[in-house]
Amino acid sequence: KNEVEQSPQNLTAQEGEFITINCSYSVGISALHWLQQHPGGGIVSLFMLSSGKKKHGRLIATINIQEKHSSLHITASHPRDSAVYICAVRSWDTDKLIFGTGTRLQVFP
Amino acid sequence: EPEVTQTPSHQVTQMGQEVILRCVPISNHLYFYWYRQILGQKVEFLVSFYNNEISEKSEIFDDQFSVERPDGSNFTLKIRSTKLEDSAMYFCASSEVQLQETQYFGPGTRLLVL
Repeated sequence: KNEVEQSPQNLTAQEGEFITINCSYSVGISALHWLQQHPGGGIVSLFMLSSGKKKHGRLIATINIQEKHSSLHITASHPRDSAVYICAVRSWDTDKLIFGTGTRLQVFP
Repeated sequence: EPEVTQTPSHQVTQMGQEVILRCVPISNHLYFYWYRQILGQKVEFLVSFYNNEISEKSEIFDDQFSVERPDGSNFTLKIRSTKLEDSAMYFCASSEVQLQETQYFGPGTRLLVL
């Protein structure tokens, strides 16, 4: 079983729609990261969370430590949001990030 | 804005050859990482590096791999004798401190082993 599970694997949306991507994990963590991977392969860090909620522009990330679950929301989605969104966690006793398989988002005009 | 840079962007090599992938982390960062992503698969941790030594490595990071910080700016990943299955995108990342800190990723080096 994967330690980090994301859903859905693929998501298509019309421009303007509200998007939710989910991440569940099975290990105790010190932090959870949401990352964006562009079609060319580059990875950009969006959020790093250890509790609560963070907002940056149209992006909102939440985490529920008790339920071992995080969500990434995109409000008023735009075609430029099309990318793979990756959830990654760091467990308490390790340096390494454990990555989910990613959610491929396509937003159509 | 400071960024992590990686060279080369693409490398093609013959099986059995040595390759060195180079990274320049953000200048005031202290923790450095290498990750790889085989085409169509998830990103995997390879190694973390702090204070001129490896702090953690994964099962993937066997004796064929080594890392080095040869000077104050570069951070390198060497694969001694490449195998076909080493073909992947290799990402370098750095962070200012450990644990609860954002990691900044480089653009990646796409390695193809023939």
